[in-house]
Amino acid sequence: AQKVTQAQTEISVVEKEDVTLDCVYETRDTTYYLFWYKQPPSGELVFLIRRNSFDEQNEISGRYSWNFQKSTSSFNFTITASQVVDSAVYFCARGGSNYKLTFGKGTLLTVNP
Amino acid sequence: DGGITQSPKYLFRKEGQNVTLSCEQNLNHDAMYWYRQDPGQGLRLIYYSQIVNDFQKGDIAEGYSVSREKKESFPLTVTSAQKNPTAFYLCASTAGNYGYTFGSGTRLTVV
Repeated sequence: AQKVTQAQTEISVVEKEDVTLDCVYETRDTTYYLFWYKQPPSGELVFLIRRNSFDEQNEISGRYSWNFQKSTSSFNFTITASQVVDSAVYFCARGGSNYKLTFGKGTLLTVNP
Repeated sequence: DGGITQSPKYLFRKEGQNVTLSCEQNLNHDAMYWYRQDPGQGLRLIYYSQIVNDFQKGDIAEGYSVSREKKESFPLTVTSAQKNPTAFYLCASTAGNYGYTFGSGTRLTVV
């Protein structure tokens, strides 16, 4: 099976710290898509970003940034100046030619005031 | 507004009962999915359907069944053969790899 690995099960930081969530993926597809989702305590998955395999440009959206490196099969997510509202479970996922999403096990981020 | 509606939000099942979780979308998406979430396990794919009247098993299909008679609807039945059904169930849909929309989930508990 082509796995998505989020090695960090839980991370705890103090507000205003920067934090990076790691994601490593496996794939045999030439074309694939990578996603990050946020799951707050309410349970619904909130879409954060989608990248396709042909676009290795890093992306920044406000306090969020993503580093996509095909050479290391990684798609890491950084939150700058974390806030309490960032506390959630974050999932990395990979989609391929069959449109199925494979998820990592998630990283629980706790931002303490 | 378009989206996915899952019902009920909470469901309690007695031992030996079959229960059906509802998933309806008005996004005109072709593909729909059911995922199961357990603490520390991430999301695991149960079943998916890419067109009406066709569906495929995912990674953990045993003890579950689905139907796709209409494009908008993809109900999941948790049968008595599923020995450990207590979990959070999420339905999703997509028109491709451009983005997946998720419902708000159903929390199933065996009592």
